Amino acid sequence: AAGVIQSPRHLIKEKRETATLKCYPIPRHDTVYWYQQGPGQDPQFLISFYEKMQSDKGSIPDRFSAQQFSDYHSELNMSSLELGDSALYFCASSLLSRDYKGTYEQYFGPGTRLTVT
Amino acid sequence: DAKTTQPPSMDCAEGRAANLPCNHSTISGNEYVYWYRQIHSQGPQYIIHGLKNNETNEMASLIITEDRKSSTLILPHATLRDTAVYYCIVRGLSGYALNFGKGTSLLVTP
Repeated sequence: AAGVIQSPRHLIKEKRETATLKCYPIPRHDTVYWYQQGPGQDPQFLISFYEKMQSDKGSIPDRFSAQQFSDYHSELNMSSLELGDSALYFCASSLLSRDYKGTYEQYFGPGTRLTVT
Repeated sequence: DAKTTQPPSMDCAEGRAANLPCNHSTISGNEYVYWYRQIHSQGPQYIIHGLKNNETNEMASLIITEDRKSSTLILPHATLRDTAVYYCIVRGLSGYALNFGKGTSLLVTP
């Protein structure tokens, strides 16, 4: 079965540079979530989109922005990178259609490991 | 979302049942108990969820107490590949984000 795809898998940037992470949800999924997991920490929710509109916002820094496109893929843009932004970034997708009688579980991608030097 | 409390770590022998407890004493009537796990640096994986009845799927069983203030995730025959951090998360049945707490680090030993 198709899974969530994230690219790139690894990214190395210098301080003050910008980075763009991409997420391709499972086909037919309409909701995308972004999570950040620092070294030795638990995943923290950043932001989510449902049908291309921002649906929820967590602890996302103002230097970060994200959007969901018409094909439902999402991009997380990170500017003025800091050393503390080094982390694993996970994207998850879910199907929240009103007609869906499922369990609303989120399916996670393999993550993008961002290293800021 | 209701706050959850889990032991930080547990050990289990391979082939034995692993019973992972979770306290969620402030859970409200419309909130579900979800369990996810994260194998080292991989994306978290959904395991099971329930409202008030016990649930079972191909991965695990979920036992929720009658007052819903606690639950137990049961891996009936733990394998080495079940070594992971297990997260108990309480939330409504909707598209809300997952609030990962501290989780339980389960080590399955040969």
